[in-house]
Amino acid sequence: EDKVVQSPLSLVVHEGDTVTLNCSYEVTNFRSLLWYKQEKKAPTFLFMLTSSGIEKKSGRLSSILDKKELFSILNITATQTGDSAVYLCATYSGGGADGLTFGKGTHLIIQP
Amino acid sequence: DAGVIQSPRHEVTEMGQEVTLRCKPISGHNSLFWYRQTMMRGLELLIYFNNNVPIDDSGMPEDRFSAKMPNASFSTLKIQPSEPRDSAVYFCASSLATAGELFFGEGSRLTVL
Repeated sequence: EDKVVQSPLSLVVHEGDTVTLNCSYEVTNFRSLLWYKQEKKAPTFLFMLTSSGIEKKSGRLSSILDKKELFSILNITATQTGDSAVYLCATYSGGGADGLTFGKGTHLIIQP
Repeated sequence: DAGVIQSPRHEVTEMGQEVTLRCKPISGHNSLFWYRQTMMRGLELLIYFNNNVPIDDSGMPEDRFSAKMPNASFSTLKIQPSEPRDSAVYFCASSLATAGELFFGEGSRLTVL
């Protein structure tokens, strides 16, 4: 059974801090890893990673994948209160769009 | 472009009542997913369709749950009879079949009293 484990489960930091969220996985037929941000409503897509060692970056957010050690990290620098959300990691194992397995998420709270 | 559209946004009902949740996927997407999200279990895949055909319903908790996709632009998830433990947020998502990115609707928050 495919497994995606995120840590920490929750994290409280002060505005301006840098945070690192972790995602480890055990997936057969791994194809890609995705990060989503979920505020009060629907998860919204952040990144899709398919290759090891290549950093994806969007503003203050960046992510990298290690396919040898089977994990990914999501970094957020200079955090703002608007970054408060649940961050979900998911793996896609191919075979059509059926193989998306989600972790339980990291609940990030940014205090002003 | 409109995203995935779900209705109702909130539903409060009594145990034993039938609940129907509705979803309109993004036009052109040929895969549709129903997820349930709770604090305890996170996001769980209930069922997904590819080209309107149910492919995997192994995540459907029991026979009280059923889902249909009569055409490419509409799907329903029905719970009959509903129970308090069905209380959750139900998300519909759509994607292109060969891509890993899912686009989520805003969810339907169900409370069964």
